[in-house]
Amino acid sequence: QVQLKESGPGLVQPSQTLSLTCTVSGFSLTSYHVSWVRQPPGKGLEWMGVIWTGGSTAYNSLLKSRLSISRDTSKSQVFLKMNSLQTEDTATYYCARTYNSYFDYWGQGVMVTVSS
Amino acid sequence: DIQMTQSPSVLSASVGDRVTLNCKASQNINKYLNWYQQKLGEAPKLLIYNTNNLQTGIPSRFSGSGSGTDYTLTISSLQPEDVATYFCFQHNSWPDTFGAGTKLELK
Repeated sequence: QVQLKESGPGLVQPSQTLSLTCTVSGFSLTSYHVSWVRQPPGKGLEWMGVIWTGGSTAYNSLLKSRLSISRDTSKSQVFLKMNSLQTEDTATYYCARTYNSYFDYWGQGVMVTVSS
Repeated sequence: DIQMTQSPSVLSASVGDRVTLNCKASQNINKYLNWYQQKLGEAPKLLIYNTNNLQTGIPSRFSGSGSGTDYTLTISSLQPEDVATYFCFQHNSWPDTFGAGTKLELK
């Protein structure tokens, strides 16, 4: 069955770089896109970016200067890196399988706190 | 960026009620509108894609409609398990954007 699971550090210091991994199973990264979406505590959802089946990427313009999404198809993993973290980047980060611009399967999310 | 405005922000309704949630885009989004349901402590779940297409496995009491800038999600007969926050999402123009959500509560 389709599964996605995010992993990464729960705590990141301000100004440091966040690195998250989304490990997928039940589908191929060359057949489905994968997006990242985040949600600050008690707030709404923000689309961050996507890696397409061909490996190209697109990012939310608000985050583009700090954000990078990549993948390793042999390991069925998608990576998110975001630099210059601030407290407002504290959020639950989700990866989601993306088909025709809708997110049909989501990971459970990983909570990231930015604090010294 | 396209702004998505959801109303009301909080809705209280009784079991069995017909419930309508609204989503208004700041410009025409050509029916590229999805709805997600998020229960407390869980990841969002896709309910409806491209305005009126019910995702596999979603109960038929959920339906969507709309065009241009105005869209609605309707629950024909509210069930206790429908308590959640509902988000609309447009994918007509980059960057794709979510609404702020409507929190649906039981009265």
